[in-house]
Parts: sequence; C-alpha cells; structure tokens
Amino acid sequence: DQQVKQNSPSLSVQEGRISILNCDYTNSMFDYFLWYKKYPAEGPTFLISISSIKDKNEDGRFTVFLNKSAKHLSLHIVPSQPGDSAVYFCAASAIIQGAQKLVFGQGTRLTINP
Amino acid sequence: DGGITQSPKYLFRKEGQNVTLSCEQNLNHDAMYWYRQDPGQGLRLIYYSQIVNDFQKGDIAEGYSVSREKKESFPLTVTSAQKNPTAFYLCATKASGTGLYEQYFGPGTRLTVT
Repeated sequence: DQQVKQNSPSLSVQEGRISILNCDYTNSMFDYFLWYKKYPAEGPTFLISISSIKDKNEDGRFTVFLNKSAKHLSLHIVPSQPGDSAVYFCAASAIIQGAQKLVFGQGTRLTINP
Repeated sequence: DGGITQSPKYLFRKEGQNVTLSCEQNLNHDAMYWYRQDPGQGLRLIYYSQIVNDFQKGDIAEGYSVSREKKESFPLTVTSAQKNPTAFYLCATKASGTGLYEQYFGPGTRLTVT
C-alpha cells in the first residue's frame, strides 16, 4: 500500500526552464509535507516543506504547492540549474502508532540539461 | 562540527554473517531512525527510537536489530536472517518539540553481502 507516490521515475529539463515534480498521497491524516534532495551515495538533504493548512510555500527558486482536495503536491524549481540534477523525494508526516513518522515516495530523478 | 556520522561508508560481508552499522549524532536530538533505500524505491523505515532505552519496529524490521543505550548512538545490526541485506542504509535524527517535522540524514552506509 503505497501511501505516497511519485509517478514519474525521471524528468529531464533544459537549464533555465521550470522543473515540476509531482507527488500524490492517499492518507488524509498527513499534516505536513517535505521535499528532500539526494545525490548518489549521500544522505538526503531537506529542501522545503509545507503545512497542510497552507497551499503554497516559497523559498528562493523553490516553491511547493499543496492541493488538499486532490491530495497532490508539487515542487517547482525555476530557473533550473545543472546543480539541481539529483533524486527528489517527497515525504508526508503523520502521527502513526504514537510517533511522528515520515512516509516517502519512490523518488524522481531530475536531470538538468545544459 | 555538528552532525550525523555513519561509518563505514562502504561495507562488505559474506552471507551468513551479522554486521553492525554505526550511527552517531551530536545534534542532541531525541529521535533517531534507520531507513534502507533500494534502487527505484523510496526510503523504508526499519526501526526508530524516540528516546534512550526505547525503540520500535518500523515497516521492515524483520532480520534487523537495534539498541539505544546512549542518546548519541543508534547502531543497527543486520542479521543473517535478513533475506536481502544488500542496500543503502540511512540513519536520521529529529528534534523533539511541537511543529518540528524535519528529519536530518547521515551520509549513509552501502552494505554489500555476497
């Protein structure tokens, strides 16, 4: 039962254009959402997050949008840069069995082409 | 220099041997987590600990064991009972408190069992 899904395993975008990464979830109990960026053979690093009471959060080139009715969130990167090439994971937070846990999507590999 | 250390970066073992992965943190975080990442999959939770001397099974705990004798340390033992131990293992921590959701990840250990 995949509660958090990233349906695009990979995405290729030209440098300078907008990258849009998508994530869908099924559990209405999720109350906070996070995006992580991961380079090969390294641990994920936190990128940006959004509370379920908001629909948008912006930080520099990164914006996350949340559509609660559709149970969908997206990460926009504009303009895209070569250093943005990485795997991006969305994660959803909920209290499960008395503990705060993150449930991760499968990841989307973003490649920025010069 | 604050952070999370995982050692070693690469680990090789023969099938049938137990192996222990190290995770140390000096962030003074109460909660610690172990995940594994397999190609094309998201991060899956193995074990977590919210406080010293207490830990709980995650989604894929079979074949693994942990201990939490000190706040700073959360070692993971991969036993011979784990059927597919070859994977990238990630340790994470989280601060306690209301409104704190972000987990911080270590650099990971790649375990190869042959």
